[in-house]
Amino acid sequence: DIVMTQTPLSSPVTLGQPASISCKSSQSLVHSDGNTYLSWLHQRPGQPPRLLIYKISNRFSGVPDRFSGSGAGTDFTLKISRVEAEDVGVFYCVQTTQFPRTFGQGTKVEIK
Amino acid sequence: EVQLVESGGGLVQPGGSLRLSCAASGLTFSSYAMNWVRQAPGKGLEWVSTITTSGGNTNYAESVKGRFTISRDNSKNTLYLQMNTLRAEDTAVYYCAKGFLLFDCWGLGTLVTVSS
Repeated sequence: DIVMTQTPLSSPVTLGQPASISCKSSQSLVHSDGNTYLSWLHQRPGQPPRLLIYKISNRFSGVPDRFSGSGAGTDFTLKISRVEAEDVGVFYCVQTTQFPRTFGQGTKVEIK
Repeated sequence: EVQLVESGGGLVQPGGSLRLSCAASGLTFSSYAMNWVRQAPGKGLEWVSTITTSGGNTNYAESVKGRFTISRDNSKNTLYLQMNTLRAEDTAVYYCAKGFLLFDCWGLGTLVTVSS
C-alpha cells in the first residue's frame, strides 16, 4: 500500500499570511496513463470533505485561487497564499493512482 | 446541483449487520464510479470501497474485505454498502463520494456505531 505522510500535522497561522502543507508518498504516484492522481481535500469542522485540488495542481470548480498545488513523483505541496478565516479545518492529501486509495493523516489549520 | 444523501446508519451490536444507502441526484448516476469513505470519531479519512459505473468491478480495503459488499442500482440512482460481522473498530461516519480518480462530491455522511 502507498503510505501518504503529511507535515506538519498542525499549523497555527495568522490571517492574511501564507501557509504550506507537504505530502510525501512512499512510492511514485505516476499512473500508467502518465497522470499523477494526487488530490487535496479540505474538511471544515462538522462538515464533509470537499475537493480542492486534483492531479497535483488543478483547482476544482469554485476553489479560490489562493489555493495552489505543486509537486511531482512522491513530493507534493499545497499552498495557501493568504489564509482566511474560512480555511480553518483539516487538509488531507489522497492518492487515487492505485488501490487501495490512501489518505494522509491530515493537517489541522487553525488561526493564531 | 449534485447531491449525495447517505442513510441507514445507527447503533448495532458487534457481529451485527447494517446496510447503508446513498441516494444520488443532479447527475447521470450510471456514468460515475462511486466510493465509500469512513471517518472514525476524531480521526482521519479511510477509503473503504469503490465500485465502477456498471458495478462490474469492485475494490475493498483489507480491513473490510470479506465483510462488506458495495453495490449499486443505477435504475434507482442509489449506492449501497452491506456491512456484516461488524466490529467496534467499524464505528465511523460513512461518506459516499463520487468519482474514480478523484473524489469530487461527498455526501454529509451517516454515523455507524458498533457497541454492545
